[in-house]
Amino acid sequence: DVKVTQSSRYLVKRTGEKVFLECVQDMDHENMFWYRQDPGLGLRLIYFSYDVKMKEKGDIPEGYSVSREKKERFSLILESASTNQTSMYLCASSLSGGAKQPQHFGDGTRLSIL
Amino acid sequence: GQSLEQPSEVTAVEGAIVQINCTYQTSGFYGLSWYQQHDGGAPTFLSYNALDGLEETGRFSSFLSRSDSYGYLLLQELQMKDSASYFCAVGATNKLIFGTGTLLAVQP
Repeated sequence: DVKVTQSSRYLVKRTGEKVFLECVQDMDHENMFWYRQDPGLGLRLIYFSYDVKMKEKGDIPEGYSVSREKKERFSLILESASTNQTSMYLCASSLSGGAKQPQHFGDGTRLSIL
Repeated sequence: GQSLEQPSEVTAVEGAIVQINCTYQTSGFYGLSWYQQHDGGAPTFLSYNALDGLEETGRFSSFLSRSDSYGYLLLQELQMKDSASYFCAVGATNKLIFGTGTLLAVQP
């Protein structure tokens, strides 16, 4: 079974802090994704990566950056956290992009910015 | 632009059949997927349709009509454990575009 592990289940940070969310997958998947989930808005793609050191912007990249130095690890960085970034953050991985190959999700990090 | 529409909430009783519709508008189309998410849990993959027609997996079936930009998820013999949010998602280049989700409440 694919295992996607997010470093924290709950996280509380202060406005202006630099925040790192870590995600690790154990199935040698090429593609990794970061989403945020807010009530009524579904899953919105922040960034994704289809290879090591490769990244592409999703629908809402503003205020975020990512890093993929190793295939199994994909990090989401909030450069200067703001209260509107309080949300549930979900990481996912898949063998390839698109819809054919399932995306496997981590349990999520509920981030609160105070 | 790209958008997916699905009902925000659906209620049904145990043992019944329920259909969750999804219409989409996308610049490219690489299949339609469905995901289930229980409250507090991670989304999990349910089904994938690349071609028109019905795909069946146990109690769940998924349908696609590409000419109508429309699909649906059909859940039969509903059980209490089927209470969850259901998301349709359209495949695009290297990514998925998710709908806003349908909250299914199964009542006894």
